[in-house]
Amino acid sequence: QVQLQESGPGLVKPSETLSLICTVSGGSVSGYYGSWIRQTPGKGLEWIASIYYTGRTSYNPSLKSRVSISLDTSKTQFSLNLTSVTAADTAVYYCARSGDWFDPWGQGTLVTVSS
Amino acid sequence: DIQLTQSPSSLSASVGDRVTITCQASQDIGNSLNWYQQKPGKAPKLLIYDASTLQTGVPSRFTGGGFGTDFSFTITSLQPEDIGTFYCHQYDQLPITFGGGTKVEI
Repeated sequence: QVQLQESGPGLVKPSETLSLICTVSGGSVSGYYGSWIRQTPGKGLEWIASIYYTGRTSYNPSLKSRVSISLDTSKTQFSLNLTSVTAADTAVYYCARSGDWFDPWGQGTLVTVSS
Repeated sequence: DIQLTQSPSSLSASVGDRVTITCQASQDIGNSLNWYQQKPGKAPKLLIYDASTLQTGVPSRFTGGGFGTDFSFTITSLQPEDIGTFYCHQYDQLPITFGGGTKVEI
């Protein structure tokens, strides 16, 4: 079955860029969106961005000025960049394949913003 | 943004109990609502989509209902493996939003 796995640094310095990759195995995002969601104790689950397999993107307005999402041509990897991070961006970041719902999800990766 | 208000925020019940969680949307979202279960240290797992459709492989003791602004999620007979936090999620309008979660304990 389709599985997703997040990868990237677990520690990012304030003001730097957080970069994560989601690798899809057992399938691709063709016909679907690749999405990023993060979870913090304080704000719960927060949708960050989605990219359709055609390349069309959607961003949460609360993060739009700092976020970019991209998809590789094989449709088996998509990436997240979040610039100018602060401690408030410390969270577990999940990737998910989505249409009208998120399924499946990756296991999540904790990213801590600290000097 | 569409706000989703879940209640209660937590509950404790006994094995075999019927448990109901509600999710109220700040505006009409039709049936554009999904439910997820998150176990500690794990990613959320889709249980119900389009307000009332059970995802393949999910036990039938989980049910969902509602339309418009008021939705409910019910576990008809609580089992020990059902502990976790349950979230509603709307996809009617961007930005996609989630409810605050309901933690279910035995």
